[in-house]
Amino acid sequence: DAGVIQSPRHEVTEMGQEVTLRCKPISGHDYLFWYRQTMMRGLELLIYFNNNVPIDDSGMPEDRFSAKMPNASFSTLKIQPSEPRDSAVYFCATGTSAYNEQFFGPGTRLTVL
Amino acid sequence: GEDVEQSLFLSVREGDSSVINCTYTDSSSTYLYWYKQEPGAGLQLLTYIFSNMDMKQDQRLTVLLNKKDKHLSLRIADTQTGDSAIYFCAESGGATNKLIFGTGTLLAVQP
Repeated sequence: DAGVIQSPRHEVTEMGQEVTLRCKPISGHDYLFWYRQTMMRGLELLIYFNNNVPIDDSGMPEDRFSAKMPNASFSTLKIQPSEPRDSAVYFCATGTSAYNEQFFGPGTRLTVL
Repeated sequence: GEDVEQSLFLSVREGDSSVINCTYTDSSSTYLYWYKQEPGAGLQLLTYIFSNMDMKQDQRLTVLLNKKDKHLSLRIADTQTGDSAIYFCAESGGATNKLIFGTGTLLAVQP
């Protein structure tokens, strides 16, 4: 198995643009998590899904952020419009429960100018 | 709410032992984990311990759990330059049914 796949690995965009981050989970993992990592705030859980259904989105910072999981093989995190304070590394992680081992992707480093 | 705290930075010399500490607040935690994040990569599970254990050893790694004080530690014996990374502790199985990560400790190993 290739592990969790995220794309793009790096994204540089201008303020106000729409950004879409993508994640392909490990086959058979029915939990998917989106995290954001910054120096100031550390690792923050944004949202997680179980069987493609959003379970807890309390970490989503504001309405500019949205996440979808249309099927078991794909999830997106969208920021519209993006702002410089959204600059961070965004990780997707998957697992077989909400609180057992999670397998992390390599992350997407987002820079908003 | 639940909180997991770690010191931010630890520097050791190659060959010495490293001890990374973590405190947590949720006494109902079932599992406690140590993850490692190398530069430019995602987190990777190093080891874990059940809350009914007080010690677990895995090669150079020793995890100690003091449940009364809600204190978790990770000892790395014979620390190598390849151990330089950020180490996160995490707890789970508690009230929120989620994995709660600590702030991370940057371990710098000097040759």
